[in-house]
Amino acid sequence: GAVVSQHPSRVICKSGTSVKIECRSLDFQATTMFWYRQFPKQSLMLMATSNEGSKATYEQGVEKDKFLINHASLTLSTLTVTSAHPEDSSFYICSARGSPNQPQHFGDGTRLSIL
Amino acid sequence: DQQVKQNSPSLSVQEGRISILNCDYTNSMFDYFLWYKKYPAEGPTFLISISSIKDKNEDGRFTVFLNKSAKHLSLHIVPSQPGDSAVYFCAASRSGSARQLTFGSGTQLTVLP
Repeated sequence: GAVVSQHPSRVICKSGTSVKIECRSLDFQATTMFWYRQFPKQSLMLMATSNEGSKATYEQGVEKDKFLINHASLTLSTLTVTSAHPEDSSFYICSARGSPNQPQHFGDGTRLSIL
Repeated sequence: DQQVKQNSPSLSVQEGRISILNCDYTNSMFDYFLWYKKYPAEGPTFLISISSIKDKNEDGRFTVFLNKSAKHLSLHIVPSQPGDSAVYFCAASRSGSARQLTFGSGTQLTVLP
């Protein structure tokens, strides 16, 4: 089946640090990638949608200057949390999809802890 | 306003019996529905999907039923196995929206041996 790899799986860092999370589709070309955030015991909340080669579309309430998304190739998207603060601590998950008629396949998520 | 709702946060079923997970939605524009399974500290794994032009889709032990008039879908797992214990999310999307998914809050299924 389709495989999406997300790294790192866990990050612990000091407040003010910028953190980059990578999302790769290993066996298919992902024209669209999505970034989600999940708080404990809650559902996945979509943060942004990115199409290869174009700017990401952010959901309402998500700061684009805070969460920088790059989707430079058909197999890689990155999310950079800039100047992270404790309130940014969360579980971040990416997904990738080949075409709109195909299901999204998810990475294993990144647990981000800001001290 | 939650457009996709899973009203049961948890469900326990005996091994070998049927598990039925329910999901309701409010947006009549949704035309594609999916079920995902999630283990702790992992991303969701796609299980099965259904288009609004169908009312049933089956894949092995998993069957999804869609009742458009009631805006309700359900996932049946039969027979249930202990390895099925996980959180199950239903998700919905509509055409013209980049097929973004709207997720329910999930149901924790526990299959007892």
